[in-house]
Amino acid sequence: NAGVMQNPRHLVRRRGQEARLRCSPMKGHSHVYWYRQLPEEGLKFMVYLQKENIIDESGMPKERFSAEFPKEGPSILRIQQVVRGDSAAYFCASSPGQPSSYNEQFFGPGTRLTVL
Amino acid sequence: AQSVTQPDIHITVSEGASLELRCNYSYGATPYLFWYVQSPGQGLQLLLKYFSGDTLVQGIKGFEAEFKRSQSSFNLRKPSVHWSDAAEYFCAVTGGGNKLTFGTGTQLKVEL
Repeated sequence: NAGVMQNPRHLVRRRGQEARLRCSPMKGHSHVYWYRQLPEEGLKFMVYLQKENIIDESGMPKERFSAEFPKEGPSILRIQQVVRGDSAAYFCASSPGQPSSYNEQFFGPGTRLTVL
Repeated sequence: AQSVTQPDIHITVSEGASLELRCNYSYGATPYLFWYVQSPGQGLQLLLKYFSGDTLVQGIKGFEAEFKRSQSSFNLRKPSVHWSDAAEYFCAVTGGGNKLTFGTGTQLKVEL
């Protein structure tokens, strides 16, 4: 049973370009979470999605960032017009998704974004 | 709002020595607590979790943690550290809403 997959593992962009980060959850998982880890810091929650729905986006920056989890295919975190401050490791996690109880989140290996 | 404090940024121990990593949390109700480990360039691996019941929880790789409600703490322990335990350790809390709040991490160095 494959774990959470993220690609690319490393992504280099110049200021002003777009970055697209992909996350394929574990088989059978319908809930996806994105976290960002800035250098020397812990992970910060960004967004929580179910298939075709954004459940909680309280951690997403108001501009340039968006996320989706379509009915088919991976979840995408999109950053438009990247700036140097967006350089970070972006982690995706997934869970089976039973709304009545807490579900353990399984983390992917992360995408390390570098903005030049 | 929930929060987690890991007061030790770096800790160095000798191989074979005991280890305790501190974690204090702030949450209004009964929290769900976790310890994760992150090796360089890798994702996070769950070591152990506390939801309810016995306040001493056992995890993988010989780790354990004790939930102390009166001290709002969830410290991670290991009786004898191995060189392969060198990594960064994160404590996290949630109230069941699935959004994890992490501490800033403790970097563990193991001296041979």
